[in-house]
Amino acid sequence: AQSVAQPEDQVNVAEGNPLTVKCTYSVSGNPYLFWYVQYPNRGLQFLLKYITGDNLVKGSYGFEAEFNKSQTSFHLKKPSALVSDSALYFCAVRETGGFKTIFGAGTRLFVKA
Amino acid sequence: EPEVTQTPSHQVTQMGQEVILRCVPISNHLYFYWYRQILGQKVEFLVSFYNNEISEKSEIFDDQFSVERPDGSNFTLKIRSTKLEDSAMYFCASSERGGPNTEAFFGQGTRLTVV
Repeated sequence: AQSVAQPEDQVNVAEGNPLTVKCTYSVSGNPYLFWYVQYPNRGLQFLLKYITGDNLVKGSYGFEAEFNKSQTSFHLKKPSALVSDSALYFCAVRETGGFKTIFGAGTRLFVKA
Repeated sequence: EPEVTQTPSHQVTQMGQEVILRCVPISNHLYFYWYRQILGQKVEFLVSFYNNEISEKSEIFDDQFSVERPDGSNFTLKIRSTKLEDSAMYFCASSERGGPNTEAFFGQGTRLTVV
């Protein structure tokens, strides 16, 4: 069965510093990995996805994610954090042969000014 | 930019009452989904819907739940007799295709409170 794990409940970073939100995955077959963001009282917004090809995937709002097959990781990154990036971030995997998206537990990012 | 819209944004209902949560998926999408997020917990898959029938459902999606696409634009989730534990944020989503490499786009959610 497909699954993703987000080992950190919370990440704190100062504005202007680089940020990393970690995700590891467990899949059978090819991994199809996604990052979503949830702002307070808002829905889930798609940020980026890895399907195949380049290990560095670029997405919305300056975010990127690095796929590492040997470490089974798909960490979300941004070179310079903004206060407005403070939100709840979910790593996810789409199930092969099924229809559902399986979400990690989420990591809350706090960016301090 | 096209988006999934959900109504209402917040619904309060008494235990045992029926509720219908409404969604308008993105217009050219063919696959539709409901997820829920109990406060402080994971986002959980409930059901997927394609070609006017359920394609997959989770163990959460029991006989109290049903989905329908009553016309060409709306997609609804009905809970027949609500329980306190049904209190959650319910997200509707849609995707252009059903394959694993296709992202789903989510609505803003309906917060359901059962009292």
